[in-house]
Amino acid sequence: DAGVIQSPRHEVTEMGQEVTLRCKPISGHNSLFWYRQTMMRGLELLIYFNNNVPIDDSGMPEDRFSAKMPNASFSTLKIQPSEPRDSAVYFCASSFYTGGETQYFGPGTRLLVL
Amino acid sequence: GDSVTQMEGPVTLSEEAFLTINCTYTATGYPSLFWYVQYPGEGLQLLLKATKADDKGSNKGFEATYRKETTSFHLEKGSVQVSDSAVYFCALSGQGGSEKLVFGKGTKLTVNP
Repeated sequence: DAGVIQSPRHEVTEMGQEVTLRCKPISGHNSLFWYRQTMMRGLELLIYFNNNVPIDDSGMPEDRFSAKMPNASFSTLKIQPSEPRDSAVYFCASSFYTGGETQYFGPGTRLLVL
Repeated sequence: GDSVTQMEGPVTLSEEAFLTINCTYTATGYPSLFWYVQYPGEGLQLLLKATKADDKGSNKGFEATYRKETTSFHLEKGSVQVSDSAVYFCALSGQGGSEKLVFGKGTKLTVNP
C-alpha cells in the first residue's frame, strides 16, 4: 500500500492568501485525522472524520480553518485567509476504526506563511 | 479528561547505552497505549502498542509494558543506536471508544556515536 499521501509537501505563501492542503488516506480506512505540529504547542488534533462525516472539530483554531471529506479517498484542509501564525507542519492520518486502532500518518505538509 | 505525561527531553545518550523514556497516563476505562516515533522530516509512525493491562509491546528492540496499577507505559531499549535518534511520543486511545489519540508532548532522543 502507498500509505497516506499528502500534497503539497512544502508550501510557502503570503499572508492573506488561501491555502489548501490535500490528503489521500489508506484505501479501506474509515477514519481520517488532521493534526498540526509546532514547536510551541506540539502535536494538536484539529479535526477528524469517520465514514466521511466530521465527528470532532473542536481543535480547529478558528473560522479561517475548514476541512472537508467529499469521499472516502480524499480530504482537504483549507486556511483562508492565512496568517504567519499558521506556519506549521500539518499531518493527515488515517485508521480503520474498530476501537483503539493504530493511526497511520502521512509525511506532512510544511507550511510557511510570510 | 484523558492525558499523557512523558518525561521532558531532550535525552542524549551514547551508542549502546540503555534507554528509558517514562510515560504515565490518566484515563477512564481501559485505553490502548501506543509509542510513536518521528524521525527528522517525517511523519509519526507506530513503534509499538499494547491493548490491555500487562501486555508488552515490542518492536526493533524497544519494549513497553502496560502497567495499570501504576498507570504507566515506559519505553525501554537495552542498547541504542545512532539510528534511534528521533522524537518519541506516548499516546493513548480516547475514552469511551473514541477514535482520538491523546499524545504526550514528545521526547527528543539523540544518540551519539
